[in-house]
Amino acid sequence: GQNIDQPTEMTATEGAIVQINCTYQTSGFNGLFWYQQHAGEAPTFLSYNVLDGLEEKGRFSSFLSRSKGYSYLLLKELQMKDSASYLCAVRDGSSNTGKLIFGQGTTLQVKP
Amino acid sequence: DTAVSQTPKYLVTQMGNDKSIKCEQNLGHDTMYWYKQDSKKFLKIMFSYNNKELIINETVPNRFSPKSPDKAHLNLHINSLELGDSAVYFCASSHTSGGAYNEQFFGPGTRLTVL
Repeated sequence: GQNIDQPTEMTATEGAIVQINCTYQTSGFNGLFWYQQHAGEAPTFLSYNVLDGLEEKGRFSSFLSRSKGYSYLLLKELQMKDSASYLCAVRDGSSNTGKLIFGQGTTLQVKP
Repeated sequence: DTAVSQTPKYLVTQMGNDKSIKCEQNLGHDTMYWYKQDSKKFLKIMFSYNNKELIINETVPNRFSPKSPDKAHLNLHINSLELGDSAVYFCASSHTSGGAYNEQFFGPGTRLTVL
């Protein structure tokens, strides 16, 4: 079956670092995506990992371990505008359709 | 502006009605998608078209019928609306290169409320 797990909610302080974990069990794997979604808005692309290791993009980094079925999104120097939901999505590798399977999302609240 | 656009943004209707949601992208992408996001925020794929050909058709009631007149448009028609159809519907698009599907760009969403 297909299963993607993320914590439902997290809280962090402005200026701090927060790590959002994602574990997955899917029948095929062809890459993992992180999206940010502010309340009432569309998801926007943050990062993509297909090989093991860390991808850094400014204040955001994403890590992947395919053998462990595990990824995390690291947000540094948190700002109030980072309060949003963060969606982990695995691209299904069992069919060549680009299908994304999303986790339920982690709602991050950044406090002053 | 280059983007994925959807109309309408809000749709309130009675049970049993038929309604359509339109989606257009001017990003030059060749693949388009429809997602449903329920009250628990789960984003689930419904349909996908690649170059006007249906490639993903999840377990969705056949009251839902997508139509892709060209690569830049993917519309969603829903017949006999039910209370459980209330959700936010997102359109998305992506570019394929070398057989690989790149990141998806999402439209602003259509909030459907069935009374």
